[in-house]
Amino acid sequence: LAKTTQPISMDSYEGQEVNITCSHNNIATNDYITWYQQFPSQGPRFIIQGYKTKVTNEVASLFIPADRKSSTLSLPRVSLSDTAVYYCLVEGGGSQGNLIFGKGTKLSVKP
Amino acid sequence: DSGVTQTPKHLITATGQRVTLRCSPRSGDLSVYWYQQSLDQGLQFLIQYYNGEERAKGNILERFSAQQFPDLHSELNLSSLELGDSALYFCASSDPGTGDEQYFGPGTRLTVT
Repeated sequence: LAKTTQPISMDSYEGQEVNITCSHNNIATNDYITWYQQFPSQGPRFIIQGYKTKVTNEVASLFIPADRKSSTLSLPRVSLSDTAVYYCLVEGGGSQGNLIFGKGTKLSVKP
Repeated sequence: DSGVTQTPKHLITATGQRVTLRCSPRSGDLSVYWYQQSLDQGLQFLIQYYNGEERAKGNILERFSAQQFPDLHSELNLSSLELGDSALYFCASSDPGTGDEQYFGPGTRLTVT
């Protein structure tokens, strides 16, 4: 099982770029890296998923180095509404496996 | 709106009782996952079903059970409830054919008194 480690919390200001790094030293060959965002009392929301190198969508970028033992979620120009908990999840393809979310990173964006 | 629905939204019950939580996945999703989230805790994976069959088991207590029906909706049964079972219970669904990302429902808040 690929366990993930993330910082417990991060602070930022509006308009800044935020990078949250997740380490997953024993990631398996067929594992994907997925990031979720969760607001209080709501279900997590999918942000981005990648396997290697860089993936970008309309809300974030995901950087994965060649050894895949870590990944970095990049949120450009954060706003107050980006204050949330961000989870990094490593999961195998094919809907299999025991899914470990961990406690996530609590991002606080200040004005 | 993720397309995943959960009922009821809130549930208050007493210790020793049994409750059933219901989840309807997004249209076409074959996988259903159940998670428990206690106050200020991360998401604890409980169990996963894929097309009616149990696929993976996490930290699910023996007092808890789940099933997925032919129409793909799922139920999580919690019995002999204890105060510590008070939590948010989330259901998620995914489609292995489109990257396996999970879409979460709004959750059921269970309070055991």
